[in-house]
Amino acid sequence: NAGVTQTPKFQVLKTGQSMTLQCAQDMNHNSMYWYRQDPGMGLRLIYYSASEGTTDKGEVPNGYNVSRLNKREFSLRLESAAPSQTSVYFCASSDQQGSVLWGTEAFFGQGTRLTVV
Amino acid sequence: RKEVEQDPGPFNVPEGATVAFNCTYSNSASQSFFWYRQDCRKEPKLLMSVYSSGNEDGRFTAQLNRASQYISLLIRDSKLSDSATYLCVVNPLSGGYNKLIFGAGTRLAVHP
Repeated sequence: NAGVTQTPKFQVLKTGQSMTLQCAQDMNHNSMYWYRQDPGMGLRLIYYSASEGTTDKGEVPNGYNVSRLNKREFSLRLESAAPSQTSVYFCASSDQQGSVLWGTEAFFGQGTRLTVV
Repeated sequence: RKEVEQDPGPFNVPEGATVAFNCTYSNSASQSFFWYRQDCRKEPKLLMSVYSSGNEDGRFTAQLNRASQYISLLIRDSKLSDSATYLCVVNPLSGGYNKLIFGAGTRLAVHP
């Protein structure tokens, strides 16, 4: 009963290094999301993918790229990490049931705690 | 202006108290609304959806006021285990797809 799996759980990077955060869901959901959470800021949407083959920018996309590899997987890449990207990153997925007018529950991974020094 | 705004708190209440949180949203076209709960250093989890007619789940009551664009969550008979951050979530359904926008959260601390 995995749900949404994120890797790694913790990471320390030096400024300028690159890395990819991996996310996979086994619930056959169409929509996947990447959020970052900073103290006092709540969760801010970085990128989302409404369905396989599509990605769109969220509120804070600068410095990030994403790939929706297939329906299960949605990765987040930091090409050149900066200290401002120190945060907790959450991947989430959800699905649409019936009418598109009603959203459905989003399921989250356990988060990746990233520190950029 | 943020799309979803909440009072950050913290709300410090004794066990058994009733506490209410409000949340306002800016996109009048938003169609669906939720309350999520987040425990310290954990991922958010759905607490309840918010329906137009209001809905109740045990000690929790959620209400929506579309005219004023706010959502509320009422917790009755607070328990120690209710201590957490409560996140207001709005789905503006951009382009017909789910796009969940979170408020910054309201922290609740219930003490004996």
